[in-house]
Amino acid sequence: EPEVTQTPSHQVTQMGQEVILRCVPISNHLYFYWYRQILGQKVEFLVSFYNNEISEKSEIFDDQFSVERPDGSNFTLKIRSTKLEDSAMYFCASSGGTSGFRTDTQYFGPGTRLTVL
Amino acid sequence: AQSVSQHNHHVILSEAASLELGCNYSYGGTVNLFWYVQYPGQHLQLLLKYFSGDPLVKGIKGFEAEFIKSKFSFNLRKPSVQWSDTAEYFCAVIQGDTGRRALTFGSGTRLQVQP
Repeated sequence: EPEVTQTPSHQVTQMGQEVILRCVPISNHLYFYWYRQILGQKVEFLVSFYNNEISEKSEIFDDQFSVERPDGSNFTLKIRSTKLEDSAMYFCASSGGTSGFRTDTQYFGPGTRLTVL
Repeated sequence: AQSVSQHNHHVILSEAASLELGCNYSYGGTVNLFWYVQYPGQHLQLLLKYFSGDPLVKGIKGFEAEFIKSKFSFNLRKPSVQWSDTAEYFCAVIQGDTGRRALTFGSGTRLQVQP
């Protein structure tokens, strides 16, 4: 069964550094998402991406964040200058987008644990 | 902004006991509803979803959920749990009449099934 994959599984960085989290969505999917879960809190939506542009974003997704699909397979989340409060598990997801948004299922990757020191 | 509430944070059951996990949402319009499960060390997986039609939805591994619009609820049930059901369960909602795709999650319920 196709899966969403994410690398690395754990990333440790210093405050102020840039990080790039990588995801490989399911190959024929059209919509891509990032979510995050701060320890002990809810899973929160960050951004969705379709047709090479952001289709929706939350108020968390400020100028420090950016997303990109640099090639036909990868989908990346960049945090330009990390803060302590960016420490969280970051989940990538993808969905087919062909059955209409109401019935679309989002498939999640295993997550990247980001620790900002 | 819509919210999703899961009132049971940690549930401990013995094998063969029945399970019901509560989920309530706040959005007054059309909703698409999901239950995801995360087994230890694994990623979020879809258990079941509701988008229209029969409010009683059957999912994988013997789980089902009932959408009760008047109560803004989508409770998850299983008649007889197994040790392998030990996991964290998340309810999630999409505002189905807006074209948005963002999932709003509840805080999750950790289920521990004792053999």
